[in-house]
Amino acid sequence: SQQGEEDPQALSIQEGENATMNCSYKTSINNLQWYRQNSGRGLVHLILIRSNEREKHSGRLRVTLDTSKKSSSLLITASRAADTASYFCATARSSNTGKLIFGQGTTLQVKP
Amino acid sequence: EPEVTQTPSHQVTQMGQEVILRCVPISNHLYFYWYRQILGQKVEFLVSFYNNEISEKSEIFDDQFSVERPDGSNFTLKIRSTKLEDSAMYFCASSKGQGSTEAFFGQGTRLTVV
Repeated sequence: SQQGEEDPQALSIQEGENATMNCSYKTSINNLQWYRQNSGRGLVHLILIRSNEREKHSGRLRVTLDTSKKSSSLLITASRAADTASYFCATARSSNTGKLIFGQGTTLQVKP
Repeated sequence: EPEVTQTPSHQVTQMGQEVILRCVPISNHLYFYWYRQILGQKVEFLVSFYNNEISEKSEIFDDQFSVERPDGSNFTLKIRSTKLEDSAMYFCASSKGQGSTEAFFGQGTRLTVV
């Protein structure tokens, strides 16, 4: 079954550094979305990239999608302590379903 | 900014009891979802709901689960006879469209079954 897997599972960096998280999946998709979750809180939507897109930017976030490798990356530039959270990728298999398949997530710690 | 709201934020219940988790989706959204996240595990899809009926459900969503949109604003998840393994964070989400649009999540209800 379709599955998103992120790596690394945990990442610890200094404030100001860039953080890169990767996500791989197994089946064809319509789009891939990235979410952030602060400890014990809800999921905050960050960015959606469609299968016909290769790169997308939103503020300090840059997302790439390589459908041939079935992988995506999330880059957070100039990280801040407030970026400390878990980051999840989630895939939607087609435009006819709203069902999202989530990965295990990457826990990011940004040290001040 | 519009948001999905969920109540209660934390619910403790005895095993075997019924619980109802409540959600108010974003007002102009048409698709509604429930997901759950067992502590330390992935977020898992439970069910999607559109036009007053279930459009898709997972294997987890068995006969003890049901969803309802009792009025124009609320969307509820009922667990008929809770089990210890139902303890999890339950998230409601809504979206304007289906797979090609963003889903917006609520803050979650932490359900603890004792």
